[in-house]
Amino acid sequence: SQQGEEDPQALSIQEGENATMNCSYKTSINNLQWYRQNSGRGLVHLILIRSNEREKHSGRLRVTLDTSKKSSSLLITASRAADTASYFCATDRMDSSYKLIFGSGTRLLVRP
Amino acid sequence: DAGVIQSPRHEVTEMGQEVTLRCKPISGHNSLFWYRQTMMRGLELLIYFNNNVPIDDSGMPEDRFSAKMPNASFSTLKIQPSEPRDSAVYFCASSLKDRWRKLFFGSGTQLSVL
Repeated sequence: SQQGEEDPQALSIQEGENATMNCSYKTSINNLQWYRQNSGRGLVHLILIRSNEREKHSGRLRVTLDTSKKSSSLLITASRAADTASYFCATDRMDSSYKLIFGSGTRLLVRP
Repeated sequence: DAGVIQSPRHEVTEMGQEVTLRCKPISGHNSLFWYRQTMMRGLELLIYFNNNVPIDDSGMPEDRFSAKMPNASFSTLKIQPSEPRDSAVYFCASSLKDRWRKLFFGSGTQLSVL
């Protein structure tokens, strides 16, 4: 069963706007990761946040983690057409070793 | 580094045929994962290996699916016999076996079973 569920399923924004995607999960986690997938390609790791961290930045990416609500958000600032892709959260559950479970993804379209 | 290499990139076969997907992980990575992606079910973890040993194959759909990792640089996922419902994109990913597991994915194999 899927551990993470992303919201929204699809998002369409104008270039330059910010994009926010949310992820909810069910069980206690060791860490949470975000990946990007361009059409027809494999997933690419974007950022990892550990269970004892609340916020992390990487370039135009900002990730937050709220373990009490079992949720995370990914913010992409000043979006570009090249950010068009699907974005997935993945969790490494504390009750299973080395098993990364992916959510259903958010399809982001950035209009030029 | 060339990254995770999967072959073939595309596979079209007829129902009942045997299909073998191949994966070469990143050198030095000691964990390897096979995922399947479909529109209906998203990304499903099929099986993963640590140090060439299968750790969890609970995601393998049925006995028609089997996976091997004879050495640290090669893995196969075999479907025998294949069925139309096996049509999907199959991804291989590798990582270091550490606590902060980051996966590196191959480009996938698009499998179509007619």
